[in-house]
Amino acid sequence: EDKVVQSPLSLVVHEGDTVTLNCSYEVTNFRSLLWYKQEKKAPTFLFMLTSSGIEKKSGRLSSILDKKELFSILNITATQTGDSAVYLCAVGGGDSGNTPLVFGKGTRLSVIA
Amino acid sequence: KAGVTQTPRYLIKTRGQQVTLSCSPISGHRSVSWYQQTPGQGLQFLFEYFSETQRNKGNFPGRFSGRQFSNSRSEMNVSTLELGDSALYLCASSRTGMGNTIYFGEGSWLTVV
Repeated sequence: EDKVVQSPLSLVVHEGDTVTLNCSYEVTNFRSLLWYKQEKKAPTFLFMLTSSGIEKKSGRLSSILDKKELFSILNITATQTGDSAVYLCAVGGGDSGNTPLVFGKGTRLSVIA
Repeated sequence: KAGVTQTPRYLIKTRGQQVTLSCSPISGHRSVSWYQQTPGQGLQFLFEYFSETQRNKGNFPGRFSGRQFSNSRSEMNVSTLELGDSALYLCASSRTGMGNTIYFGEGSWLTVV
């Protein structure tokens, strides 16, 4: 059974800190790994990583994919209170490319001033 | 471009009733998927529709059903509501399918009393 495990489940940091969120996975025929940010509403898309794109960066956020060790990390530097959210990791696999994404339970990040 | 739109946003139902939730995908997106999100279980896949056909189905009882119309709008229905059905129901759309990035709507908060 496909599985996505995120760690830690929650963490609290101070503004300006750097945080690293982890996502490990087991999936048949890996195709993609996606990161989403969820505040008190819809998850918003951050990054998609694939075999052809194992590193992504946008502003203070960056993510890498290690296909050999089956994990990904999401880094946030110089954290701000607006970064407080649940960060979700999802993995897509399967033979057809239309297999449903499997989501982890998320990491709840709280950034305090 | 308008995002994924879900209605209603909030609703309260009584045990035994049924509920219908609606989702309008991003223009041009033909795949619509539904997820149930609860604090304990995280995001769980319900089903996916593509061109009016159910293409994937998660492990939910038959009380949960859905459909998609020719304009790609989708509805999901839950019959004989149970207390445990209280959750955030998220709809997501994608241009071609779940192997690509999916974009979420704001969700419908369902409370069953």
